[in-house]
Amino acid sequence: AQSVTQPDIHITVSEGASLELRCNYSYGATPYLFWYVQSPGQGLQLLLKYFSGDTLVQGIKGFEAEFKRSQSSFNLRKPSVHWSDAAEYFCAVLNNAGNMLTFGGGTRLMVKP
Amino acid sequence: EAGVTQFPSHSVIEKGQTVTLRCDPISGHDNLYWYRRVMGKEIKFLLHFVKESKQDESGMPNNRFLAERTGGTYSTLKVQPAELEDSGVYFCASSLYPGVTGANVLTFGAGSRLTVL
Repeated sequence: AQSVTQPDIHITVSEGASLELRCNYSYGATPYLFWYVQSPGQGLQLLLKYFSGDTLVQGIKGFEAEFKRSQSSFNLRKPSVHWSDAAEYFCAVLNNAGNMLTFGGGTRLMVKP
Repeated sequence: EAGVTQFPSHSVIEKGQTVTLRCDPISGHDNLYWYRRVMGKEIKFLLHFVKESKQDESGMPNNRFLAERTGGTYSTLKVQPAELEDSGVYFCASSLYPGVTGANVLTFGAGSRLTVL
């Protein structure tokens, strides 16, 4: 069965600092991976996705993620965090049928001024 | 383009009562999904509609939950009778394309928070 682990429940960074959110997955086939963000009062917004090709994918809001098959990881990065990035971030993998996302537990990001 | 709309945004009910959550997907999206996040847990898949048909309801927790999508447009999720462990946030999502393709992007609503006292 597929699974996703986000080891960090909470992360606090200073505004302007770099950010890396960790995601590890367990999946028997080629994974289709996603990062979503949920800001307060908002729905889950897609940041980026990986289906194939270049293992470094660019997303919205200056985020990027790198797929590393050897480490079963899909970590999310941003070089300089803004206060508006404070939110909860979810990593997810799509099943073979393409109808079911399995989510990690989420990482809540706080940004210090 | 309007996004996925969910109503109500927050519902507080007592154990044993009934609640109905509604989801309006993006117009033209045949695929509609329900997910939920109970307190402190992961977001979990509940079911998937293609138009008005239930394609996969493997995530529905028990028969107290009933999802419908009459006419293949909006969907409702009814919980009857509600139990304490049903508290959480219920998300609806829709997508235009099915399957595993780069075009299969689920657009989520803001969620309906259910509190059962």
